[in-house]
Amino acid sequence: ETGVTQTPRHLVMGMTNKKSLKCEQHLGHNAMYWYKQSAKKPLELMFVYNFKEQTENNSVPSRFSPECPNSSHLFLHLHTLQPEDSALYLCASSRDPGVPYGYTFGSGTRLTVV
Amino acid sequence: AQKVTQAQTEISVVEKEDVTLDCVYETRDTTYYLFWYKQPPSGELVFLIRRNSFDEQNEISGRYSWNFQKSTSSFNFTITASQVVDSAVYFCALSDAASFSGSYNKLIFGAGTRLAVHP
Repeated sequence: ETGVTQTPRHLVMGMTNKKSLKCEQHLGHNAMYWYKQSAKKPLELMFVYNFKEQTENNSVPSRFSPECPNSSHLFLHLHTLQPEDSALYLCASSRDPGVPYGYTFGSGTRLTVV
Repeated sequence: AQKVTQAQTEISVVEKEDVTLDCVYETRDTTYYLFWYKQPPSGELVFLIRRNSFDEQNEISGRYSWNFQKSTSSFNFTITASQVVDSAVYFCALSDAASFSGSYNKLIFGAGTRLAVHP
């Protein structure tokens, strides 16, 4: 248990479905991140939230919609996904900006789009 | 531009062998931090080490050791007497002044090295 909890662990969805991924941390961290990990590709940063404000959207398609209601919770809303969106989606959190302690990662949600 | 290169895509060893995972980084900053993470089959990336650019001392933690060479911009990771439980994907990452002086800490990850340790 890393302190960052992601649910669900596995998700299979059709291309017309709408689903949400959830991430929760109680480490007192102020920044939260969504990463995408596809097979044989580097980790791709998708979104960054700092103190609940989105500070980066790394050219992510609009079918991915993040939400950060507070510093402890982060969601990724999914709709009309494509099969190439199948991947491991990792959530991470970090301490105060400017202090490079690295990230604490969750276990990820393995998403399969059929 | 910041970049992390892990040239070894996959490594396969037999238990008890020593194995070194290479990491080469690029940055224009003199202040930066380097990290190693382990990703076991369960999925989460587990933090192993953080090293700042001003500390070139090698570090040893049990069977793990790290060799930081600024002259070659490398931060290599060695596992001594490898075990099956070491099988995982290992990521090297960089955070430099341009990355962490902003509003959040940005880590630049390498592509990862998959290590398979066989009994």
